Amino acid sequence: GDSVTQMEGPVTLSEEAFLTINCTYTATGYPSLFWYVQYPGEGLQLLLKATKADDKGSNKGFEATYRKETTSFHLEKGSVQVSDSAVYFCASTYSGGSNYKLTFGKGTLLTVNP
Amino acid sequence: KAGVTQTPRYLIKTRGQQVTLSCSPISGHRSVSWYQQTPGQGLQFLFEYFSETQRNKGNFPGRFSGRQFSNSRSEMNVSTLELGDSALYLCASRDRLYEQYFGPGTRLTVT
Repeated sequence: GDSVTQMEGPVTLSEEAFLTINCTYTATGYPSLFWYVQYPGEGLQLLLKATKADDKGSNKGFEATYRKETTSFHLEKGSVQVSDSAVYFCASTYSGGSNYKLTFGKGTLLTVNP
Repeated sequence: KAGVTQTPRYLIKTRGQQVTLSCSPISGHRSVSWYQQTPGQGLQFLFEYFSETQRNKGNFPGRFSGRQFSNSRSEMNVSTLELGDSALYLCASRDRLYEQYFGPGTRLTVT
């Protein structure tokens, strides 16, 4: 079945450091890919998405590129802030048919220190 | 637009009891999905409802059930609660672009 594997962390960085969180997927067909963020005590917020190969999703300084050849969707940010501290989830879904569900990675806890 | 709302936000139940959680989707969204989040298993899909019909179900026992009303609001029910059912239950509604928007969750504690 479909699965998503992401770097579990935890990841601890200093403010203004470069962030990479690795994510790879296995899926039948060509899924849509997402990054969600969860702040303490809250639900998940969609951070960015990509629906086909070579698409780049971006939002709030975060970027991820859909790489079909390496089945990857790594999350990057050039300069993290303390407010970026949260848990990040990579997810995939098959963009077709009437059945729809997100398959999530285990999540990566990011802590950014001032 | 108002976001996805879930009630109650926190719940404490005893083993063997049953519980009903409620979710109101974003206005205009007809699809509602439920997920269970635990530290050990992460985020797991429970089921999806669209226009009052269950269209997809995850690998959970029959004690977990749900329904959707004509106004798209959804409820999930867990009967005969077990300690392992303690989790954050997240509801999400979906638009036509396959983007799911999540509510804040209901934190269920089973003692």
